[in-house]
Amino acid sequence: EAQVTQNPRYLITVTGKKLTVTCSQNMNHEYMSWYRQDPGLGLRQIYYSMNVEVTDKGDVPEGYKVSRKEKRNFPLILESPSPNQTSLYFCASSPRLGQGNSPLHFGNGTRLTVT
Amino acid sequence: GDSVTQMEGPVTLSEEAFLTINCTYTATGYPSLFWYVQYPGEGLQLLLKATKADDKGSNKGFEATYRKETTSFHLEKGSVQVSDSAVYFCALSLNTGGFKTIFGAGTRLFVKA
Repeated sequence: EAQVTQNPRYLITVTGKKLTVTCSQNMNHEYMSWYRQDPGLGLRQIYYSMNVEVTDKGDVPEGYKVSRKEKRNFPLILESPSPNQTSLYFCASSPRLGQGNSPLHFGNGTRLTVT
Repeated sequence: GDSVTQMEGPVTLSEEAFLTINCTYTATGYPSLFWYVQYPGEGLQLLLKATKADDKGSNKGFEATYRKETTSFHLEKGSVQVSDSAVYFCALSLNTGGFKTIFGAGTRLFVKA
């Protein structure tokens, strides 16, 4: 089944404790992206990747890191989480490089709470 | 800058009522427009899309027409069902040397039996 898989689904952590949220897609998509969803703000892009070893900042990259060493994986790293990073996170992928009319395929989300 | 504005929710309707969720956008160039739907506990999934002016996207009884003159992409359905209860996101996508999708804030729809 074609899908984007995120893990974990739920995560509770404490301020300053490094964490990684994994994302994997099995559709051979070139483009991958991370979003956070907050009430009243919709989805805001954190980082995106156009292909292996190519990543760039989105609208809210502060406090996050990513890597794209393989085409299928795009982990999101929080080196020192803070309470303002409590949010619902989504990974998404798309098949076409630079094609604006290709829809995004989303994972089921990771709900992160930082205390 | 580029942006998407959609009507605030929640929207509460009775089953078989007519649905309209308004969406307007601001963009440089010629974006593609999308509606995504998010069911409880799930990620977003594409509902419909339109890639150029006057295109109509449709799926599962939902429709939206790309109106360049009014910069709008309103979502409509003639008869909603309880199973349509979800959050609906309007989005635009720009092909400006990269690939960026901008989302509206989302509109929550409740449909009562």
